[in-house]
Amino acid sequence: QVQLVESGGGVVQPGRSLRLSCAASGFTFSTYGMHWVRQAPGKGLEWVAVIWYDGSKKYYIDSVKGRFTISRDNSKNMLYLQMNSLRVEDTAVYYCARYCSGGSCSINGALDIWGQGTMVTVSS
Amino acid sequence: AIQLTQSPSSLSASVGDRVTIACRASQGISSALAWFQQKPGKAPKLLIYDASSLESGVPSRFSGSGSGTDFTLTISSLQPEDFATYYCQQFNNYPLTFGGGTKVEIK
Repeated sequence: QVQLVESGGGVVQPGRSLRLSCAASGFTFSTYGMHWVRQAPGKGLEWVAVIWYDGSKKYYIDSVKGRFTISRDNSKNMLYLQMNSLRVEDTAVYYCARYCSGGSCSINGALDIWGQGTMVTVSS
Repeated sequence: AIQLTQSPSSLSASVGDRVTIACRASQGISSALAWFQQKPGKAPKLLIYDASSLESGVPSRFSGSGSGTDFTLTISSLQPEDFATYYCQQFNNYPLTFGGGTKVEIK
């Protein structure tokens, strides 16, 4: 079945780095764009970053620009989020989610499949 | 960034009630709006996309309407499994943005 599984979360000190992974299965990963969305404890959803299906374009929320890098390996059906210079305010559950863009999509643009999330805690 | 303002932030309702949640965008987003349901400890689930299209497998008691800046999610007859938090989200422009959420609680 269509599935996204995140991993790589944990507890890290401020200023340190962490890399999140998202394993995709059950669909043609290389034809879908991918997002990272986060949710701080008890708070709402916040979009973090997006990468085009072929990796050609990437966008970030201002608060992570220069610190986070989204990437993908279509040969391995994997999405990544490299998080450097972590801050306490980056503490959240991080979700990966897919979207389709283009005329062949049944659902165009909306985030239709989400992973279960991985928790990142930044604390000294 | 486009701001999405959801109202109310919370509501109490009974099983069988009709529930309406509003989402207002700070600028026009055409129909590039989605609605999600989230239960505690779970990932968001897509309910409605393109403002009014029902995602496959989602019960028909859920419906969405609106375009431009004003949108609505309606649950025609609230069921026990519908008690959750609901978010609107625009995908017209980057950065993508979410509304603040509406928590639907049992009266």
